[in-house]
Amino acid sequence: DTGVSQDPRHKITKRGQNVTFRCDPISEHNRLYWYRQTLGQGPEFLTYFQNEAQLEKSRLLSDRFSAERPKGSFSTLEIQRTEQGDSAMYLCASSPRGLAGASTGELFFGEGSRLTVL
Amino acid sequence: GNSVTQMEGPVTLSEEAFLTINCTYTATGYPSLFWYVQYPGEGLQLLLKATKADDKGSNKGFEATYRKETTSFHLEKGSVQVSDSAVYFCALRPANAGGTSYGKLTFGQGTILTVHP
Repeated sequence: DTGVSQDPRHKITKRGQNVTFRCDPISEHNRLYWYRQTLGQGPEFLTYFQNEAQLEKSRLLSDRFSAERPKGSFSTLEIQRTEQGDSAMYLCASSPRGLAGASTGELFFGEGSRLTVL
Repeated sequence: GNSVTQMEGPVTLSEEAFLTINCTYTATGYPSLFWYVQYPGEGLQLLLKATKADDKGSNKGFEATYRKETTSFHLEKGSVQVSDSAVYFCALRPANAGGTSYGKLTFGQGTILTVHP
């Protein structure tokens, strides 16, 4: 399978613990995005990487959240001192650089990592 | 700011029924519009898109027309199948998007569709 993969698929943790999610994008895609989806809502943008550079962060991404993409391949999203309000599905998506030098706008999503904070 | 509003669900239909899922948006200029679908146990995937006014996106029997005058992008299918049961998301990409904005989509809340045999 050459799609976007995320790990773990489901994480249950106690409030105050740290958690880390990993995303492996489609190999030839240089753009990587993290979104968060809460129950009954659509995905909300969190952050964006082009290669290894983090180019934009949403104000939803508090200082307890950090994302990295050290070698421009896989990415990690860490949440420190988790709170119950962090319970959500964390989605990773990737996209290629289009022939015209700009993305076509289509995002390829992984299945998500579901976080439950007790 | 940009926003997308979808009709409230869930929607339950019998096989071969006609489907409409309403989507309206708020944005400046001419955003690009998308419908994404999420089948059970799978990630979101692009169903169709339209990048300028009056464009019609189509795929797998689904259609949606970009209506600037009504700021709408309603999803339709003439005859649904059980396999169409999924969650459908309308989304927009800002006009003149460049750089980071290309993947910074604004999604609606999603509409759950269930099709019975």
